[in-house]
Amino acid sequence: KQEVTQIPAALSVPEGENLVLNCSFTDSAIYNLQWFRQDPGKGLTSLLLIQSSQREQTSGRLNASLDKSSGRSTLYIAASQPGDSATYLCAPLKAAGNKLTFGGGTRVLVKP
Amino acid sequence: SAVISQKPSRDICQRGTSLTIQCQVDSQVTMMFWYRQQPGQSLTLIATANQGSEATYESGFVIDKFPISRPNLTFSTLTVSNMSPEDSSIYLCSVAQGGDTQYFGPGTRLTVL
Repeated sequence: KQEVTQIPAALSVPEGENLVLNCSFTDSAIYNLQWFRQDPGKGLTSLLLIQSSQREQTSGRLNASLDKSSGRSTLYIAASQPGDSATYLCAPLKAAGNKLTFGGGTRVLVKP
Repeated sequence: SAVISQKPSRDICQRGTSLTIQCQVDSQVTMMFWYRQQPGQSLTLIATANQGSEATYESGFVIDKFPISRPNLTFSTLTVSNMSPEDSSIYLCSVAQGGDTQYFGPGTRLTVL
C-alpha cells in the first residue's frame, strides 16, 4: 500500500524567499506524480505533472523534481508571493487510470 | 484540461437525511472518481465511478452509504445516505484524461447537524 509523507507540514516565510516542499512515497513503482494546490475550503488545482521517466518539470516559478528510485519529489517555488499561500499536495499515481494517493500536504504562508 | 462543476457547492443537512451531489464535466472522460476530505485531513478516495457498471469502492466505503451513478461519460452523482455529523466533509469529484493528469471539481462542502 502506497504511503505518502510531506515535510514540513507547515511553512511560514517572508515574501521573496524560495520555497522547498518535500514529498516521499513508499512504493517507487509509480506511473506519474502530480503536485496540487488547494486554497482553504476549495477544490484542487493541478500545478505540475511529472511522468515516471522524467527527472523534473517546470512551469513559471514552479519546478518539481522526481527521484523515483528513492521515492522522493520536491517542489520548488521561486521568489514566493503572498498569493502562493495555500496547501500544497503531492500525489503519486500507481498506474494509468488508477487512483491517486495523497500526502497530508504542506500548508504554506507567505507574509508580505 | 477538463472543466468540472459540482452542485451544490455547499449544504447544511440534518442527521438521518441524504444528499445527492452532482458532478458535470465539459468533455467525455473515461475515469471519474469521488474523494472525501474530512476537516483538517488530506483526500481519501471513496470510489471510482464506472460508466455502464457499478462503482468500485475503496476499503471502508460501501454502496449502501455512498451510492454512485454514472449514466454517461460526462456526469456522475454521489449520494451520502443516512448522514451523521461524521460525514461532514468536502466531497470532490475528479476525472482522468488519457490516464494521466487528474482534474478536480471545486468540491461540495457538507455540514451535518
